[in-house]
Amino acid sequence: GAVVSQHPSWVICKSGTSVKIECRSLDFQATTMFWYRQFPKQSLMLMATSNEGSKATYEQGVEKDKFLINHASLTLSTLTVTSAHPEDSSFYICSAREQDLRGREFLLNTEAFFGQGTRLTVV
Amino acid sequence: QQPVQSPQAVILREGEDAVINCSSSKALYSVHWYRQKHGEAPVFLMILLKGGEQKGHEKISASFNEKKQQSSLYLTASQLSYSGTYFCGTEPRFGNEKLTFGTGTRLTIIP
Repeated sequence: GAVVSQHPSWVICKSGTSVKIECRSLDFQATTMFWYRQFPKQSLMLMATSNEGSKATYEQGVEKDKFLINHASLTLSTLTVTSAHPEDSSFYICSAREQDLRGREFLLNTEAFFGQGTRLTVV
Repeated sequence: QQPVQSPQAVILREGEDAVINCSSSKALYSVHWYRQKHGEAPVFLMILLKGGEQKGHEKISASFNEKKQQSSLYLTASQLSYSGTYFCGTEPRFGNEKLTFGTGTRLTIIP
């Protein structure tokens, strides 16, 4: 099955610094990737949709300037948490689904493949 | 608005059955089911695309009632490995590719 790789798996940073998280689709191309955040014992909440070659689409309530998303290639999306604060500590997960790139439509019956997740701790 | 799952948590003895429900306030194109172990990424279980569709794999099956905007996941003769948190993921009608995940159901299987 398709694999999505996320790096790093965990990071501890000081308050006020920025952290970059990478999400790669290893054996398929993805013009769209998704970034989720998950607090302990809670569900996955979609933060933004990362679009290759264009601006990301953010969900309501998610600060664009704080969570910078770059999707520079068909296999790589990055999420940068800028000026991190302790309340940004969370589990961040990316996902991607295989697409029919000709029509830029998602293939039917396609599951979402998830990266391993990144545990961010801001101290 | 995220789909609501019930129950929130359930504890079963090995070999018992469980049903997890997922209810959406919006019309649905498809429903996905995932299981997540603590500290890990969600793992795909199955997708249901058509109203009334039922699918199964070994002792885990699911149904999708498009009219009621609901889906149910059935786990029979549960095994210890079934422990984890189960999430439904829904797609709105017309194939908007974003998945909205439900509130989650924590399943604990005890020997």
